[in-house]
Amino acid sequence: DAKTTQPPSMDCAEGRAANLPCNHSTISGNEYVYWYRQIHSQGPQYIIHGLKNNETNEMASLIITEDRKSSTLILPHATLRDTAVYYCIVRAPETSGSRLTFGEGTQLTVNP
Amino acid sequence: NAGVMQNPRHLVRRRGQEARLRCSPMKGHSHVYWYRQLPEEGLKFMVYLQKENIIDESGMPKERFSAEFPKEGPSILRIQQVVRGDSAAYFCASSSRDLYSGANVLTFGAGSRLTVL
Repeated sequence: DAKTTQPPSMDCAEGRAANLPCNHSTISGNEYVYWYRQIHSQGPQYIIHGLKNNETNEMASLIITEDRKSSTLILPHATLRDTAVYYCIVRAPETSGSRLTFGEGTQLTVNP
Repeated sequence: NAGVMQNPRHLVRRRGQEARLRCSPMKGHSHVYWYRQLPEEGLKFMVYLQKENIIDESGMPKERFSAEFPKEGPSILRIQQVVRGDSAAYFCASSSRDLYSGANVLTFGAGSRLTVL
């Protein structure tokens, strides 16, 4: 799986958009980008994933650059409950076995 | 759909005792994964199971730890002769097909928190 780089922490004002970056410059053509988050002491929660196209669901939007070397998770209107560690994971379905490997992630703190 | 159910949510054991953690996957999911999170640390993969088979146990400690996912019933993570270093949150996740098959997501349970005195 390609390595990902995320900032260790970010702050965001409540009600504003939170933009969480992820670099994955060694990504391969068949590798998906996944985002999960873990709110303190809870189980990780799937947010969104994408391969090449930008994706949007009820939780967030995922913007993947054209060269696929980086992506941004966007929480359009952050709330206090969005304070969590956000993990960007890149994974190829055929070659990486069964595991999903979590890195250090970004601690997002949403401030009132 | 009740999601991934783990029990007990909290378990206290004394050193040398056994701990058994249970995980019922989401309805229709036949793949189960166990992760461990030590205090103030990240999530570490332990084992991946399908019904009656261990597929990948490369993250399991070599001794005292075992996992099963029988044909009937929940998946069990068993820790024998627990030590203080086993104190952690243990998360179970399930999916409907293995991650070789393309994009797929894991649904996690709320975790079981083991405290070893």
